[in-house]
Formats: sequence, C-alpha cells, structure tokens
Amino acid sequence: AQRVTQPEKLLSVFKGAPVELKCNYSYSGSPELFWYVQYSRQRLQLLLRHISRESIKGFTADLNKGETSFHLKKPFAQEEDSAMYYCALGWGGATNKLIFGTGTLLAVQP
Amino acid sequence: DGGITQSPKYLFRKEGQNVTLSCEQNLNHDAMYWYRQDPGQGLRLIYYSQIVNDFQKGDIAEGYSVSREKKESFPLTVTSAQKNPTAFYLCASSIAGRRNTEAFFGQGTRLTVV
Repeated sequence: AQRVTQPEKLLSVFKGAPVELKCNYSYSGSPELFWYVQYSRQRLQLLLRHISRESIKGFTADLNKGETSFHLKKPFAQEEDSAMYYCALGWGGATNKLIFGTGTLLAVQP
Repeated sequence: DGGITQSPKYLFRKEGQNVTLSCEQNLNHDAMYWYRQDPGQGLRLIYYSQIVNDFQKGDIAEGYSVSREKKESFPLTVTSAQKNPTAFYLCASSIAGRRNTEAFFGQGTRLTVV
C-alpha cells in the first residue's frame, strides 16, 4: 500500500543551522513526490516537486529510490522558514491523488 | 482574486445534523479534492472528482457525500453518519490527467460538533 512517513513531528534549529526534514515513502510504481508547506495563517502550498529538481527558497530535495526517501534540505535556516512541512506522494497516474505524511513542524530559533 | 475559496471558515453543528461545506474555484481545473486534517494524522482524502458529474471515494469517505454539478464547485456534506466530524477540512483543485501536477488548496473550514 502507498504510504508516506515523516518521523519527526517537530524539528527545532537555530538560525543559520542546516535543516533536514525526513520523508520516506512506500510505493511500488514510479513515484511522484512533493513537499508542501503551510506558513502560519496561510494556505497549504507547493514548495517543490521531485520532477523539477529545483531549489525553492534555498530548499532542495533529492529522490533516492534505493532508500525510498525524499528528504528536504536547506544549508542555512532562516526564521521565515518556520512552518509546517508535508511530504506528499502522488499516485493513481492521471488522477493526481496525493497521500500526505503527518507533517513536521520546523521551528527556527533566532 | 483567483484561486480556490472555501466557506465558511468556521462552522458549528449539533449532533445529528447534516452540514454542507462549500468549495469554489476559478482556476478552470477539472480535478477537485476534499481532505480532512487532524492533528498528528496529516491530510486524508475523503472524495475526489476528475470531471463534472463524476466523483470517487477516497480513503475515508464513510459519513460524507459530495456532488459535482458544476466545474467550479465541489460541495462536501458531512452527514450525521460521520462518527467523528470535528476536524479541519481542506478543498483542493488541480489540472486533471497530468502527472506531477500541483494541487492548489483553499483556506479550509474548521467544523466543530457541539
């Protein structure tokens, strides 16, 4: 069955420290993986997707099929990065259904 | 202001009553979705629709119903059969029929059963 695991409910770091939000998935097909972010009082929005291989707001995520992981990384955390981060797996082919992890709250301390 | 709009923002319901949550989008998206968000459980899919007049059950459809009479609208009814309806509900939309497509979310409706 499809599954997304985010092992950390809360990750607290100091400003300028590196950040790694972990995400592991279970899916027998070709995965579509995303990171969504929810800032305080804002709607859930896409941060990045694995297919784009892009860096958004300094964040990157590499799909590791061998380890079935899609960890989100940023070398130097900023206070404005504080938010709830969800890893999501797209499945069902063209139906675009998303399975979400339980989310990780990133708190960047000054 | 383009996007996806959910109303109301807060909703209170007495036990035994049905209640309908509104979701409207002006993004011209064919696909629309309803998710339920509970603390510590992430988002879980209730129903989804890929086209007008068609919809499918998600992982937790019991106690819920939907309709898709118009492309722009995908209302969710929480029925009295839903055992634990107090939750935060999110509606989303996306382009249909394409992989790796971004989903756009509404601001959500917080439903409380009193």
